Amino acid sequence: DAEITQSPRHKITETGRQVTLACHQTWNHNNMFWYRQDLGHGLRLIHYSYGVQDTNKGEVSDGYSVSRSNTEDLPLTLESAASSQTSVYFCASSDGTQQYFGPGTRLTVT
Amino acid sequence: GQNIDQPTEMTATEGAIVQINCTYQTSGFNGLFWYQQHAGEAPTFLSYNVLDGLEEKGRFSSFLSRSKGYSYLLLKELQMKDSASYLCAVREADSSYKLIFGSGTRLLVRP
Repeated sequence: DAEITQSPRHKITETGRQVTLACHQTWNHNNMFWYRQDLGHGLRLIHYSYGVQDTNKGEVSDGYSVSRSNTEDLPLTLESAASSQTSVYFCASSDGTQQYFGPGTRLTVT
Repeated sequence: GQNIDQPTEMTATEGAIVQINCTYQTSGFNGLFWYQQHAGEAPTFLSYNVLDGLEEKGRFSSFLSRSKGYSYLLLKELQMKDSASYLCAVREADSSYKLIFGSGTRLLVRP
């Protein structure tokens, strides 16, 4: 069955370190998204991609970057982790209608 | 600007009916989605409305009024497993596939 996976599921890192969160989908969807979820804010869009080599900024993109070298993967990089980036991160992919979400990565920046 | 409002928390009794409202103000509109999210888990798709009216799917129904910028999710015959957060999300006309999410409504179902 097609699926979307994220790794790691939990990560603790120190302020200033570079961190990369992986997202891999086997739906063969062109559209992929990264969100962060914090209490009181719901899901906020960080970056998104509509296909290979395409990346776009969302509403909370500062301090984050993505790259899309193939259809299956959209890794999210935190260039220099900050305590404000402690959050739960969800990746999603879409065929143009609903979005399918990965299980999430809980990131703690100390 | 973009604004999606839904109540923060609701409580209901097992077996009852509950209605979760969502109002939105966005620069365009190309559909409204409802997702369910259990604590510690990923959101899962419940329903999609793009035209006015009621969409029914088992115990869950979703209603849309585009002129009023209003939607609701109706849950019937509540079960304990329905305790979860319910997220309202709007797709703007000019952005194709992006969704704007409300903050979610946490529903607690009591015995």
